[in-house]
Amino acid sequence: QTVVTQEPSFSVSPGGTVTLTCGLSSGSVSTTYYPSWYQQTPGQAPRTLIYNTNTRSSGVPDRFSGSILGNKAALTITGAQADDESDYYCVMYMGSGIYMFGGGTKLTVL
Amino acid sequence: QVQLVQSGAEVKKPGASVKVSCKASGYTFTTYNMHWVRQAPGQGLEWMGIINPNGGDTSYAQKFRGRVSMTRDTSTSTVYMELSRLTSEDTAVYYCASEKGATYYFEYWGQGTLVTVSS
Repeated sequence: QTVVTQEPSFSVSPGGTVTLTCGLSSGSVSTTYYPSWYQQTPGQAPRTLIYNTNTRSSGVPDRFSGSILGNKAALTITGAQADDESDYYCVMYMGSGIYMFGGGTKLTVL
Repeated sequence: QVQLVQSGAEVKKPGASVKVSCKASGYTFTTYNMHWVRQAPGQGLEWMGIINPNGGDTSYAQKFRGRVSMTRDTSTSTVYMELSRLTSEDTAVYYCASEKGATYYFEYWGQGTLVTVSS
């Protein structure tokens, strides 16, 4: 069965730029997977950041952007801030009513 | 504004079943699909399944088929997720999350319900 893959961890300096990726164990990510991205801090429900590859959810600052980079979906944070330190999850629509989360990336801002 | 309000925490014994509710408000109930997502302690998010409140069609992750049932009550704008034959590995926070039509993402989230399975 196909698995959605993410970097387990990443670090970025305050003010820096970081790109998190979301791939498939088999095949390439395309817009037909409708990749979406979610941010979660400990003890909180997830917050929706990006959907349909590159559309920002309401209220999400424009320093968060989504794209397809090569064969993966990508979430780029430009001008990272301390409160961006969170877990980030991508979701792929696999077809036939099935969705799949990636394992999540723990982002450290230091 | 859109709100998804989930039922309270549950403690269950191994082998039992649990039924978690998610009451929606602030939108037309039948126009949003509802997903269920869970998160075990210290682990990532895991998609469990989806229900279309307009008709009740469901789709479940393979891992949960035969053990999960998602239903809805349109009169109260409430969706239910029942998980049977619980084991300690089902200890998790369970979230409902709504998707407007076929937009393929989780737009609004409930606050989560902690289900603890312990003998």
